[in-house]
Amino acid sequence: GAGVSQSPSNKVTEKGKDVELRCDPISGHTALYWYRQSLGQGLEFLIYFQGNSAPDKSGLPSDRFSAERTGGSVSTLTIQRTQQEDSAVYLCASSYRDSNQPQHFGDGTRLSIL
Amino acid sequence: QKEVEQDPGPLSVPEGAIVSLNCTYSNSAFQYFMWYRQYSRKGPELLMYTYSSGNKEDGRFTAQVDKSSKYISLFIRDSQPSDSATYLCAMMSSNDYKLSFGAGTTVTVRA
Repeated sequence: GAGVSQSPSNKVTEKGKDVELRCDPISGHTALYWYRQSLGQGLEFLIYFQGNSAPDKSGLPSDRFSAERTGGSVSTLTIQRTQQEDSAVYLCASSYRDSNQPQHFGDGTRLSIL
Repeated sequence: QKEVEQDPGPLSVPEGAIVSLNCTYSNSAFQYFMWYRQYSRKGPELLMYTYSSGNKEDGRFTAQVDKSSKYISLFIRDSQPSDSATYLCAMMSSNDYKLSFGAGTTVTVRA
């Protein structure tokens, strides 16, 4: 596809369960970013990948959050032992390179923790 | 104080009006400035991408950057109901990759 693709679009799960969110960036984009959007906090940076490496994980809220990227393409964000405060929209973006480049976003995964 | 402040809105205008959206920022290292449009239950869509001070026009959209005042604006001319969305400003320092976003302004264009 032409744009950033994220799946699932919606996820409802019980507190304490693990969830995996997937992002497929724009073809040819080497940089990939995860953000979280919630009502009170706006858009917050979580983690950045250049290729398969994650030089900046500074935005991950806790050690329950992890992410990986394989083949310089698809990325997975995993949240273990989910808590109600993890409820938010998780957005993925990609760019041609990393610095000074516009980022293009997917439509996000809307995560609800019951 | 947040790094990027955006006029909260909401904003409601009649069709055909000019929409004016504004953000201020405190980090003088910001060099790249963006405006995104976000429809309900969709991701942010890049509208404008500008570097340093000045104006940039694209169709009905004009982005202005005033680095001396740390102030950016987006103007939408001849607004249409399809322009009804939340508009987010975002900015980035040179040789950086992390975007800092405003909180967003929700705009409704009444037919």
